[in-house]
Amino acid sequence: EDKVVQSPLSLVVHEGDTVTLNCSYEVTNFRSLLWYKQEKKAPTFLFMLTSSGIEKKSGRLSSILDKKELFSILNITATQTGDSAIYLCAVRNQGGSEKLVFGKGTKLTVNP
Amino acid sequence: NAGVTQTPKFRVLKTGQSMTLLCAQDMNHEYMYWYRQDPGMGLRLIHYSVGEGTTAKGEVPDGYNVSRLKKQNFLLGLESAAPSQTSVYFCASGYREQYFGPGTRLTVT
Repeated sequence: EDKVVQSPLSLVVHEGDTVTLNCSYEVTNFRSLLWYKQEKKAPTFLFMLTSSGIEKKSGRLSSILDKKELFSILNITATQTGDSAIYLCAVRNQGGSEKLVFGKGTKLTVNP
Repeated sequence: NAGVTQTPKFRVLKTGQSMTLLCAQDMNHEYMYWYRQDPGMGLRLIHYSVGEGTTAKGEVPDGYNVSRLKKQNFLLGLESAAPSQTSVYFCASGYREQYFGPGTRLTVT
């Protein structure tokens, strides 16, 4: 059974701090790992990672995948209050249905 | 271009009642999904569809049925609602990236 574990489950920081969110996984025939940000409503897509060691970057957010150690990290530098959200990690196997298995998420709170 | 829409946004049901949640997408996606999200549980896949006329079970399918009669619509049905089905339901569509609807908050009393 495919499994995704995120840590920490919650995190409180001050504006300007840098945070690292962790995602470890066990999946049969790994295909890709995705990060989503969920504020009040629908999750919104951040990154998709398929290859080890290649950093994906968007503004202050970046992510990298380690397929040997079976984990990914999401970094957020110079955090802002608008970064407060639940960050979800999901993995996809090569089964052909494009199903995602999600972790429970990390709730990030950025205080002013 | 509305993306993924869901109706209704909120609903309260009594135990044993039935209802249908509607998901619509205008991105011409073949793949569509229904998830439920409960506190501390993350998103769990209920059913999914890889094309018009096809459906398949996900991780937590019991108590739900689905239909995909048109490519743009994916319906989730609860035939006899139970309090354990109180949750927020999200529909998603897409191939490599899944795009999510705004969710339906369902309470079963």
